[in-house]
Amino acid sequence: SAVISQKPSRDICQRGTSLTIQCQVDSQVTMMFWYRQQPGQSLTLIATANQGSEATYESGFVIDKFPISRPNLTFSTLTVSNMSPEDSSIYLCSVVGHTKETQYFGPGTRLLVL
Amino acid sequence: QKEVEQNSGPLSVPEGAIASLNCTYSDRGSQSFFWYRQYSGKSPELIMFIYSNGDKEDGRFTAQLNKASQYVSLLIRDSQPSDSATYLCAVNNAETSGSRLTFGEGTQLTVNP
Repeated sequence: SAVISQKPSRDICQRGTSLTIQCQVDSQVTMMFWYRQQPGQSLTLIATANQGSEATYESGFVIDKFPISRPNLTFSTLTVSNMSPEDSSIYLCSVVGHTKETQYFGPGTRLLVL
Repeated sequence: QKEVEQNSGPLSVPEGAIASLNCTYSDRGSQSFFWYRQYSGKSPELIMFIYSNGDKEDGRFTAQLNKASQYVSLLIRDSQPSDSATYLCAVNNAETSGSRLTFGEGTQLTVNP
């Protein structure tokens, strides 16, 4: 499976600010996703990061709040904008592997908003 | 009804026992099924995937799929304390969702020495 890294690994931010999370993969991948995992809960898909085009957002998530870039097949960023304490979560990127529909996750970014 | 439901847990088993984790799903068109293990403070790790009815074994892990009953399970034989984690069931219907996965809430497993 691909090696996935995320930066930062954790951060503490003030409300009203924005944070950009980076996801880097060691090989070219077609599909990349961004998830949120709130404390004690399962994973919720935020959006599919499409290379060279706008991301596809899931219900309840909007581009103004979570802008996503995917400039090439190995890199993506997720920005959490105008943060509030409710945005405190783990943010994870994932990629689809060579086996049908299998997804592999990055180590995650732990965000605390005060 | 949730799209993917798992035993609410937590599940506690003694070391050496068989741990049985269950998952039901509502989308009858689902084709791919995955089990992830998530240690506390870590990201999910793929441990098994299954596409066809029946059993699929990998070491101490066996995934079982019954599409007619819309049921998938994970058995862990000879459970070890290192198996203590949250296990997430994920389901995919490629025709309607592409590569997107739908996750259950997870079942927390504790293996007691």
